[in-house]
Amino acid sequence: DSGVTQTPKHLITATGQRVTLRCSPRSGDLSVYWYQQSLDQGLQFLIQYYNGEERAKGNILERFSAQQFPDLHSELNLSSLELGDSALYFCASSVAGTASYNEQFFGPGTRLTVL
Amino acid sequence: AQTVTQSQPEMSVQEAETVTLSCTYDTSESDYYLFWYKQPPSRQMILVIRQEAYKQQNATENRFSVNFQKAAKSFSLKISDSQLGDAAMYFCAYRSAETDGQNFVFGPGTRLSVLP
Repeated sequence: DSGVTQTPKHLITATGQRVTLRCSPRSGDLSVYWYQQSLDQGLQFLIQYYNGEERAKGNILERFSAQQFPDLHSELNLSSLELGDSALYFCASSVAGTASYNEQFFGPGTRLTVL
Repeated sequence: AQTVTQSQPEMSVQEAETVTLSCTYDTSESDYYLFWYKQPPSRQMILVIRQEAYKQQNATENRFSVNFQKAAKSFSLKISDSQLGDAAMYFCAYRSAETDGQNFVFGPGTRLSVLP
C-alpha cells in the first residue's frame, strides 16, 4: 500500500459523458501527478499540481481538467468522453515540487471504460 | 523533449537465473534521475531502483542492480536469482533535475515472464 488513494476503482460510462476521478496523496506529500495508461500509448503524464498550483502540464487534452484543493486532494475531470479515453488513470504523489530525487508513490489507479 | 526507449517488449527468464532489461534515453540535460518501476498484474506501480545521473556508482537494491552508462545514455536493470514474484511489466523512467516539472517520462515497458 503506497498511501495514495484513488476513487473510484472502476468507472463505466458512455460516450459524451463527464466523470470525475479523485486522488488523495500520501500524508505530507505536496505534489500530485496524473498519468494515463492506455494499451497503445503506454504511460503518459497528464498534469502536476504542487500545493494547489499547477506546476507542469503534459499531454492533457482540452476536454480534461484537474485541480488540487486546500486539503491537497486532487480531482481529474474528463468531459465529452470518447471511446479512446478508456484507460487506467493513475495518480501519484511526492514530497517535493522542485527537482529532486524523491520517489513518486502511485495509487492503485482508476479503470475508466467508455462504451 | 526527452524520450525513453525499451527495445525488448518481452523477456523471459528461468527461476533463479539472471536477466537484464535494457533502457536507453535521449536527453540534452546533464543532471537528471533514472528509475525502474515494476507493474505486476495488480497494476500497482512499485519503485524498484533509482539512480542519480551525477553519481558514477551503480545503484543496487538486494537482487536488483543497474548498469548506468551516462555517455551511452543507457540504464539497464539486472535481476539476479529471479523469483516467480518478479514477473511483471518493467518501466524505465526519466526525470529532469533541471526543469521545474517533476513528471516522469516513461519507456514503453518490458514484460518479464519467470519460468518455473
